[in-house]
Amino acid sequence: KAGVTQTPRYLIKTRGQQVTLSCSPISGHRSVSWYQQTPGQGLQFLFEYFSETQRNKGNFPGRFSGRQFSNSRSEMNVSTLELGDSALYLCASSLVPRQETQYFGPGTRLLVL
Amino acid sequence: EDQVTQSPEALRLQEGESSSLNCSYTVSGLRGLFWYRQDPGKGPEFLFTLYSAGEEKEKERLKATLTKKESFLHITAPKPEDSATYLCAVLGANYGGSQGNLIFGKGTKLSVKP
Repeated sequence: KAGVTQTPRYLIKTRGQQVTLSCSPISGHRSVSWYQQTPGQGLQFLFEYFSETQRNKGNFPGRFSGRQFSNSRSEMNVSTLELGDSALYLCASSLVPRQETQYFGPGTRLLVL
Repeated sequence: EDQVTQSPEALRLQEGESSSLNCSYTVSGLRGLFWYRQDPGKGPEFLFTLYSAGEEKEKERLKATLTKKESFLHITAPKPEDSATYLCAVLGANYGGSQGNLIFGKGTKLSVKP
């Protein structure tokens, strides 16, 4: 069974631009969560989607948004990029929300210059 | 507020030198405690889930144990390929909201020298 896939793997943007990241969950998994990981803050929760609906949202500004499609694939968007948005963005999938085991993708490394 | 603290932040071992990593947690109604391994630049890889105090799980050189306040990840006779950051996370009864479902610790960076 294929794991969680994320595209692109690496991205370089400049301040003020916007970016869209994509996540395809494990087949049959319907819940997708997004995390931002930085050396100083560790893993921070961004949002969770299930059945195309956002269920939870972390303490991030409105520049961070996401959506989920009917096939459970999810995208997150960051508008008006700031230098501090440079991070590893991780997507994790599970069968349903609050289902214990989340499986992570390889991440998208975003560098904002 | 639910909280997870991992110690030490970094650990250097010689190959074959056994040791333990600690994960202390404060959570309202533990529904599960998870250990992940993360290699540099990669996503966390799931290792174990523990549900109740007294439970133990093993995988190769790794053994995870759980008490009511903390979990230990014991590494027996480690090898250089065990070098990674080990993350602990908890799922509490009051899951969801702005913290999300899983509360992660900051991790322990393990280096095993040959």
